[in-house]
Amino acid sequence: LAKTTQPISMDSYEGQEVNITCSHNNIATNDYITWYQQFPSQGPRFIIQGYKTKVTNEVASLFIPADRKSSTLSLPRVSLSDTAVYYCLVGDMGTGRRALTFGSGTRLQVQP
Amino acid sequence: SAVISQKPSRDICQRGTSLTIQCQVDSQVTMMFWYRQQPGQSLTLIATANQGSEATYESGFVIDKFPISRPNLTFSTLTVSNMSPEDSSIYLCSVVSGQGTKVYGYTFGSGTRLTVV
Repeated sequence: LAKTTQPISMDSYEGQEVNITCSHNNIATNDYITWYQQFPSQGPRFIIQGYKTKVTNEVASLFIPADRKSSTLSLPRVSLSDTAVYYCLVGDMGTGRRALTFGSGTRLQVQP
Repeated sequence: SAVISQKPSRDICQRGTSLTIQCQVDSQVTMMFWYRQQPGQSLTLIATANQGSEATYESGFVIDKFPISRPNLTFSTLTVSNMSPEDSSIYLCSVVSGQGTKVYGYTFGSGTRLTVV
């Protein structure tokens, strides 16, 4: 699976937009980019997944440039409840035959 | 997506003892995964458990220390054996659910916070 690099931590304030960028230079043709969120004392939960260009759901947007060597998770107007660790994962997850491989994640702290 | 019930949610254990963690899934799943998350760290895969076959362990994890059972398609256990304080971690199970060749997603249990004293 492609190795990912993302910032260790980020700070923001309520109401701001937060963009977390993940680098994945060795992404393969069949790989998807997926982001998970983990709150303290909980397991990770799926946020968003994409292959190229832009994907948006009710929680976040995912921007993927044409070369797919990086991606940016965008959280609009964050609140205190968005304080969590965000993981960027890259891999061919469509088969369901392999476990997810987690990188270090980005610890987002949202201040009032 | 599947719903996982993981027990216990936390425990404090004496060194040298063993703890068995259970994961019950509300639907049949082919593959279950067990992870360890040390304090302040990311998740590390311990093993993959398929029903009807031996679990496959990742480098650094062995069956004698982390025996896994997978008696049916909705249940699995992970035992942490002969515990030492270094085993203090959060242990999580995960499943991937889907139908046929379509993968719906990966779901995680809420974790078991283990403290070894």
